[in-house]
This record gives sequence, structure tokens and C-alpha cells, in this order.
Amino acid sequence: LAKTTQPISMDSYEGQEVNITCSHNNIATNDYITWYQQFPSQGPRFIIQGYKTKVTNEVASLFIPADRKSSTLSLPRVSLSDTAVYYCLVGAFNQAGTALIFGKGTTLSVSS
Amino acid sequence: EAGVTQFPSHSVIEKGQTVTLRCDPISGHDNLYWYRRVMGKEIKFLLHFVKESKQDESGMPNNRFLAERTGGTYSTLKVQPAELEDSGVYFCASSQDMASVSTDTQYFGPGTRLTVL
Repeated sequence: LAKTTQPISMDSYEGQEVNITCSHNNIATNDYITWYQQFPSQGPRFIIQGYKTKVTNEVASLFIPADRKSSTLSLPRVSLSDTAVYYCLVGAFNQAGTALIFGKGTTLSVSS
Repeated sequence: EAGVTQFPSHSVIEKGQTVTLRCDPISGHDNLYWYRRVMGKEIKFLLHFVKESKQDESGMPNNRFLAERTGGTYSTLKVQPAELEDSGVYFCASSQDMASVSTDTQYFGPGTRLTVL
């Protein structure tokens, strides 16, 4: 699976928009980009997944440029409850049984 | 719909003892995965079941770990005998049969925190 690089930590205030960028220079043609969120004492939770351009759901938006070598997770108007670790994963998620490879993730701290 | 559940939530045992962790996947999910995070490290894949069959055990650290999924429903992960370095959080995840979806979204349980003293 393609290696990913993302910032170790980010700080924000309530109500701000947070953008977390992930680099994946070696992404393969059939790879998808997936973001997971993990709160303390919980398992990772799927947030969003995309292949190219922009994907939006009720939680976040995912921006993927044409070359797909990076992606940006955008969290609109964060609240204290968005404090968590965010993982960017890249892999052929259209294949069953893909073992997810987690990096260190980005620890987002939201303050009031 | 119930999510992935794991039992127990915490387990404290002494070195050399045996511990069995249980995972109940989301109903109807054929794929079941075990992951773990040991102290200060990233979450690492252990193994993957498709129904009752082991599809990939490449992440199992050694033969002290035994996973089963009899009947293709819940799964157990036994550590025997437990060592200090086995301490960590063990996560279970499940996903649907790939014939019905286009991408493999894995849904995680809350994890079991194992402490070996």
C-alpha cells in the first residue's frame, strides 16, 4: 500500500474550518483514499473515501487534485468533539480483505 | 443496527496466563479483521477472516496467538501464554461481502485493552 505522510498534530478553535493534508506520492491507479477518525478509547471510525476530485458527506469534504498525489480532509466549523486522531489511508479498497495500514495520524486538538 | 462489539473491554493478566478476546462483527459481514496497537506504535493488522476461513494471517506475531471464527460469526483471539510485549489495544473490524459493495469500508469495534503484568 502507498505510504502516506501527514502532520503529526494540529490545533484549532471552535467554529474554524480545519484542513488536514496528506501526501501519497506513490499512489497506484486503483488506489482509493480513505480517512478514519479515532477518539480516545474507541476504535477508528470511517469518515470519508474518494478516488478523485471532491467528495462531500455530512461530516467532511475530501479534496483530491488531478495528480492524486495528495488529498485534503476538510472539517467545516469544528467543535470540541472533533478533537481526535485523523488517519489518511491509501489502498485498493475495492478489493476485499485489504489490510489497512495505519500511520501515526494527525492529532487534532480543538479549543474553545 | 448494532456495530462491532468486543469483549472484554479491559483485561489484566499476569505473564504466562492465557487470555481470550472476543469479537462480534456487524451482522451479515463476511469479512472480519483483527488489529492491535502496542504501546507507542501504530495500529497493526493481525489477520483477516472471510466467513470461517483465514484469508490472511501475515500479521500474526507468533504462534502464541490463535484466532478462530467457527461458523463464520463471532471470532476469538487467544493469547497463550501471554508475554509483557503483548500489552496493548486489540481492535476488531468487519466489512461486507465484496460482491455487494464497490469498496471495502471496515467498521471497527471499541477495542480490548490488554495489560500483561
